[in-house]
Amino acid sequence: EIVLTQSPGTLSLSPGERATLSCRASQTVNSYYVAWYQQKPGQAPRLLIYGASTRTTGIPDRFSGSGSGTDFTLTISRLEPEDFAVYYCQHYGTSLYTFGQGTKLEIK
Amino acid sequence: EVRLLESGGGLVQPGGSLRLSCAASGFTFSTYAMSWVRQAPGKGLEWVSAMSGSADDTHYADSVKGRFTISRDNSRNTLYLQMNSLGVEDTAVYYCAQNSGGTVASSRVFGSWGHGTLVSVSS
Repeated sequence: EIVLTQSPGTLSLSPGERATLSCRASQTVNSYYVAWYQQKPGQAPRLLIYGASTRTTGIPDRFSGSGSGTDFTLTISRLEPEDFAVYYCQHYGTSLYTFGQGTKLEIK
Repeated sequence: EVRLLESGGGLVQPGGSLRLSCAASGFTFSTYAMSWVRQAPGKGLEWVSAMSGSADDTHYADSVKGRFTISRDNSRNTLYLQMNSLGVEDTAVYYCAQNSGGTVASSRVFGSWGHGTLVSVSS
């Protein structure tokens, strides 16, 4: 079973700064099966990125995903106030759907 | 616009049962696999179960296998989750999610989510 470990647990930044969120898989995975979600308090998760780097329709281009093998990254180039939320990576594989534990992006 | 509306949550005693429903609209329901994903209070996301659009293929997380049953009625555009032998560890918000394809094998992500229904298991 693949385990996804996200870091840091909490990231404190200011609007306008660049955010880099990490997701590490316990073994090599196919990037085609890696996705990122955003969840704001009291809301359902929202799909941001699939295939490690493809933005879902309507997601601003300040969000970008990258990575391969075991290491994947979600980057937000210039933080807007509405970007402060919890972010989850997710993998689809033999255990079907696995999520990381999440990174909370908070306002500094 | 895809809309998913969960219902059926509530307070139940340990060992009890509950049936969740998810009413779908805005898309051709029978052509999409569907899933249930849960989130314990203050915790992360956990996939629970998935079913193909044609209802001929089901999958469960080990944590619920043998206790939960997923089903769907494509004539009513509704997804269900029958939960039996509930324990306190099942306390969570349960989300209905639209898979990205018609079969579980072709569905690597969850494209749309409902707002969830809270299940509380407590004596």
